[in-house]
Amino acid sequence: EVQLVESGGRLIQPGGSLRLSCAASGFTFSHYTLNWVRQVPGRRPEWISFISRTGTATYYADSVKGRFTVSRDNAKNSVYLQMDSLRTEDTAIYFCARDRVGSTALDYWGQGTLVTVSS
Amino acid sequence: EIVLTQSPVTLSLSPGERATLSCRASQSVSTYLAWYQQKPGQAPRLLIYDVSNRASGIPDRFSGSGSGTDFTLTISSLEPEDFAVYYCQHRGDWPLYSFGQGTKLEIK
Repeated sequence: EVQLVESGGRLIQPGGSLRLSCAASGFTFSHYTLNWVRQVPGRRPEWISFISRTGTATYYADSVKGRFTVSRDNAKNSVYLQMDSLRTEDTAIYFCARDRVGSTALDYWGQGTLVTVSS
Repeated sequence: EIVLTQSPVTLSLSPGERATLSCRASQSVSTYLAWYQQKPGQAPRLLIYDVSNRASGIPDRFSGSGSGTDFTLTISSLEPEDFAVYYCQHRGDWPLYSFGQGTKLEIK
């Protein structure tokens, strides 16, 4: 069974840093590209980051570029999101999601981890 | 940037009825269109990819259609568990993924 499990979300002050993790199981991790998607409850999901199978290619939404860094460790079946210079508008549930091979959709999502940026 | 607009915002129907949800793109998205279902407290769940292909484990009462800029998700006969929020999604050049604002399917 494919599983993605996020962790690391918590309450943090503006300007702070946080590192989210996503642990994968049930599939050959190194064969898949992965994304981070965030969602404010009641609003549409917002894609924020992509990482290639080897980690050599990464992309970011304009809203987080220069502040967030995605990485992966294929030996540990994990993907990470380093979040720096956090702002109140970064408050959201953060999901990791797997790209479906051969199509243009996200076929498996984790349950999400809540990040609250507030003083 | 391609903008996806879903209609209606809210759809009130009864179990057993047919649901038709629409998604319109600001420009052609080819076949790069997917649909998700989201229930409270849960992650989005992929229903349909590449316009009309059902994802693994999705019942055949869910179907997708359309081309170019106009797309439809149809639920042929609503079950109680189908009442949720539905999002359409496009994968493009930039941003990589964009989502419509959602349609809430509620029990009448």
